[in-house]
Amino acid sequence: DQQVKQNSPSLSVQEGRISILNCDYTNSMFDYFLWYKKYPAEGPTFLISISSIKDKNEDGRFTVFLNKSAKHLSLHIVPSQPGDSAVYFCAASLDNYGQNFVFGPGTRLSVLP
Amino acid sequence: DTEVTQTPKHLVMGMTNKKSLKCEQHMGHRAMYWYKQKAKKPPELMFVYSYEKLSINESVPSRFSPECPNSSLLNLHLHALQPEDSALYLCASSPAGANTEAFFGQGTRLTVV
Repeated sequence: DQQVKQNSPSLSVQEGRISILNCDYTNSMFDYFLWYKKYPAEGPTFLISISSIKDKNEDGRFTVFLNKSAKHLSLHIVPSQPGDSAVYFCAASLDNYGQNFVFGPGTRLSVLP
Repeated sequence: DTEVTQTPKHLVMGMTNKKSLKCEQHMGHRAMYWYKQKAKKPPELMFVYSYEKLSINESVPSRFSPECPNSSLLNLHLHALQPEDSALYLCASSPAGANTEAFFGQGTRLTVV
């Protein structure tokens, strides 16, 4: 049973426009959420995170929104750039003597010039 | 130094071989992780070490044996693997405690023949 879901396997966006990547989770015990970006044959790179006590966190072009009641979060990238093309993983964590990061299946973002 | 270094980058091994994957970080992180990632799938947690003690073992077969010799090093000993164990093995580290992000290494691409 997938605890973290990303229902869009892929997304294409024009350069300069907004990219919105969505993520849903089922475990209400998750208390910290993260977005990672991954290029082929590389490890995931941390992008941005949000604690369950917040509903928004912003870092440059990246903003993460959290709706706890809906168990939903989203990553907004504005403006999108061709270098943003990658697979984006949503992850959630439980602090359990060392965190158990649970990853969603990923969304492949293609930013078209 | 914000790097997690994994060696080797690529490894081909036979089903009767014994090999080890190595991971090193010098960020002072006290939690270290092994993840396994198959093609077009998210990373799946295998083991978590917290303060050099194994805190999470996600029901991983005994042919995978983790070791944490000190706070900077994490090994994964491999023995009698199967072809289906071929995958990208990712090491990560994070500060111990709640609400922190994990930093990933580049991974070891393992092929079992």
